[in-house]
Amino acid sequence: DVKVTQSSRYLVKRTGEKVFLECVQDMDHENMFWYRQDPGLGLRLIYFSYDVKMKEKGDIPEGYSVSREKKERFSLILESASTNQTSMYLCASIAPWDRPYEQYFGPGTRLTVT
Amino acid sequence: GDSVTQMEGPVTLSEEAFLTINCTYTATGYPSLFWYVQYPGEGLQLLLKATKADDKGSNKGFEATYRKETTSFHLEKGSVQVSDSAVYFCALREQDDKIIFGKGTRLHILP
Repeated sequence: DVKVTQSSRYLVKRTGEKVFLECVQDMDHENMFWYRQDPGLGLRLIYFSYDVKMKEKGDIPEGYSVSREKKERFSLILESASTNQTSMYLCASIAPWDRPYEQYFGPGTRLTVT
Repeated sequence: GDSVTQMEGPVTLSEEAFLTINCTYTATGYPSLFWYVQYPGEGLQLLLKATKADDKGSNKGFEATYRKETTSFHLEKGSVQVSDSAVYFCALREQDDKIIFGKGTRLHILP
């Protein structure tokens, strides 16, 4: 019953490292999203993608980039990790608007940057 | 832009108590509304949804009614259980499929 998986549950990286977070969905959804979750701030949208090779900036894209080379895979990249990027990162896969019930989140990756 | 405001937590209740978590929204157009739940150590799960005014979403004993006149979508449960302890997020889905979340309400249920 796997729907959305993320490459790691916990990750520890050093300041300045390049970090890749991967998300894979098996539902053939076009829409995929990356959020970060911080206490008191809720979930904030980083980037999203409506199709292969398409990407759109969300509310807090600074310091991040994304890649969508295949429909099922959406990667979040931290070009040069910083301590303020320590957070929980959540990936979501969402069916188009006419199927609003089909929304799934991955288990999250808790990233610590030291 | 669109936004969601929900009551701050934590909310602490005794088992079998009545639960209400308030949620209001601002939006252009006619968004769909959702409640998500996040259990400790897990990702978000869709709890219930409503896609148009006066719709009532329900699941696992939880209910919420889409009130367009008051722009609200309050979550209720008649008798909570310890297993309901989690963080609850109210959210709206815009026409372009982006989901806007509230800040979350942590719920503690005491046995």
